[in-house]
Parts: sequence; structure tokens; C-alpha cells
Amino acid sequence: NAGVMQNPRHLVRRRGQEARLRCSPMKGHSHVYWYRQLPEEGLKFMVYLQKENIIDESGMPKERFSAEFPKEGPSILRIQQVVRGDSAAYFCASSSQGSNEQFFGPGTRLTVL
Amino acid sequence: RKEVEQDPGPFNVPEGATVAFNCTYSNSASQSFFWYRQDCRKEPKLLMSVYSSGNEDGRFTAQLNRASQYISLLIRDSKLSDSATYLCVVNKEGSTLGRLYFGRGTQLTVWP
Repeated sequence: NAGVMQNPRHLVRRRGQEARLRCSPMKGHSHVYWYRQLPEEGLKFMVYLQKENIIDESGMPKERFSAEFPKEGPSILRIQQVVRGDSAAYFCASSSQGSNEQFFGPGTRLTVL
Repeated sequence: RKEVEQDPGPFNVPEGATVAFNCTYSNSASQSFFWYRQDCRKEPKLLMSVYSSGNEDGRFTAQLNRASQYISLLIRDSKLSDSATYLCVVNKEGSTLGRLYFGRGTQLTVWP
């Protein structure tokens, strides 16, 4: 039973480029969460999605960041016009309907040059 | 005030030792509580949920004190493989679903 999958595992972008991070939840899970972990910091919530719906985006920066979880395919976290401060590990987690336990993917480490 | 506060450590203990971690949370309406472990440059992995009555999983015992808004994790008979950062986690207030609040973690090193 495959766990949460994220790709790419490592992503290097130059300032001003776009970054697209993908997350496939565990089989049978319909809830997806994105968290960001800055170096030497704790994980910070960004957004909570269900299929075709954003449930809670209170942790998302107001500009340049967006997320979606389409009916088909993975969830996408998109960062436009990246800046050096966006360099971090981005973790996706998923949970099943009605469960409060979240399981994490291996993360995408974004480096902005 | 941070949502979840933990002693960052580090804790350095010999194999076989018993070690305890504590954390406090600020929102009395929080509903769900967890301990995760995170190895260096890896994803957090769910160690155990924490229930009001306290719960045990092998060498690990978790306790919750809602009145004091305090959560603990006890590890008995420490193994080298227990070396990791332990994250205290609580959920969004007023709901059993949704966003999690993470502490910054307590670092544990078990030495032979």
C-alpha cells in the first residue's frame, strides 16, 4: 500500500521562476494538507484541501502561492515568482474521511538560487 | 504565545534509559493530540495519538492533562533507533479535522 507520494523530491529554481510541487495522497484518502518547514523551524500549516475544494487556506501567503486538488490527478502547490525566502521543505499529508490522523509524504526540498 | 511549546533539548541519554518529553498547548479548545517523530531531513511520522485516559504503545507512553493543557511522552528502555526529533502536535481548535499545530520538536540522542 503506497504511502503519500510527492515529487519532485528536490527542486531548484532561480528567483522569479515558478515552482510546482505535486502530491498524491494515500490510497483511499480524500483530504490533503500542505505544510512548510523552514530551516531550523517547525512545520507550519499552509492549506487543507478536499477534492475540488479548498477547505482552509489560512496559512497560505496572500500572494504568489496557490493550491489545488482536482477531481483527477495529484494535488498541486504552485509558487509563482519564487524568492530566496521560499527555500524550504514542503510536506504534503493526507487523511481519510473522518480521521484526524495525518500521514506525511517525503517532502519536496525547494532551493531558490 | 506559540500554539505548542516544547523544550528543544537536546536530550542525550544512554541506551536503556527512560526519558520524558513535555509540551504545553495554548488553545483549550484543541481536540486531538499527537506525537510525531522526525528523523534528520525526513518527513514527520506519526508515533501515537494521545488520549485523555493516557495510552501506551510498547515502550512509549503518552499522557494528556487537559486542565493544565499539558502533554507528555515517556520512552522506556531507550534504543539507538529512538534518536530523532519528537514533535508535539495538536489540531485546530474546535474540530477533530483540519490543520495541525506543530511544536518545534525535542531532539533526542541515544548513545551506546
